[in-house]
Amino acid sequence: QSVLTQPPSASETPGQRVTISCSGSSSNIGSNYVNWYQQLPGTAPKLLIYRNNQRPSGVPDRFSGSKSGTSASLAISGLRSEDEAEFYCAAWDDSRSGVVFGGGTKLTVL
Amino acid sequence: QVQLVESGGGLVNPGGSLRLSCVASGFTFSDYYMSWIRQAPGKGLEWVSYIAGSGNTMYYADSVEGRFTVSRDNADNSLYLQMNSLRAEDTAVYFCARDTVPDSWGQGTLVTVSS
Repeated sequence: QSVLTQPPSASETPGQRVTISCSGSSSNIGSNYVNWYQQLPGTAPKLLIYRNNQRPSGVPDRFSGSKSGTSASLAISGLRSEDEAEFYCAAWDDSRSGVVFGGGTKLTVL
Repeated sequence: QVQLVESGGGLVNPGGSLRLSCVASGFTFSDYYMSWIRQAPGKGLEWVSYIAGSGNTMYYADSVEGRFTVSRDNADNSLYLQMNSLRAEDTAVYFCARDTVPDSWGQGTLVTVSS
């Protein structure tokens, strides 16, 4: 049981927009930044969004993040087949003194 | 650019020990907290431990407290994870990562605990 709650799966057709949610509490998302990671099969996670809505260099602006209260969202627009991956949210948790992760959302591009 | 390369994984019997290593490059190693994060087969990500840049502060997940020890050698840009009293549930890919909420990850090293 992960501390942050994500839907286990999401799907959409190429070119469309999909949103992945991440729900937490006051000790994590409610008081700290949220990161999002993309993990392709058999590879390490890659930072996609940091500090709620910032993109590292090289990440397309099709990817965007937002946060409100104790929830965060990742939006992907103009979906492409290569976006198929597992997506994880993460945040520092003040009560655990450690990072906590969502359980991951498997994105399928139909 | 940031590079993190793990090594030391392998097959070990329950109750056995293993030491993982991670060599860092592309940044000032001593300026950063470093973390170990693991992923059991087909499962999500689980934080294991982190250590401050100076090496004087360490934290562990409850699941490994008392069995795992994190350390670092800033002169060699290296991070370590000594794992003792290993259990089947410790089977996972172990990632070395920069910072407490990671911004860079290594490729991971597989630890399999099985008889």
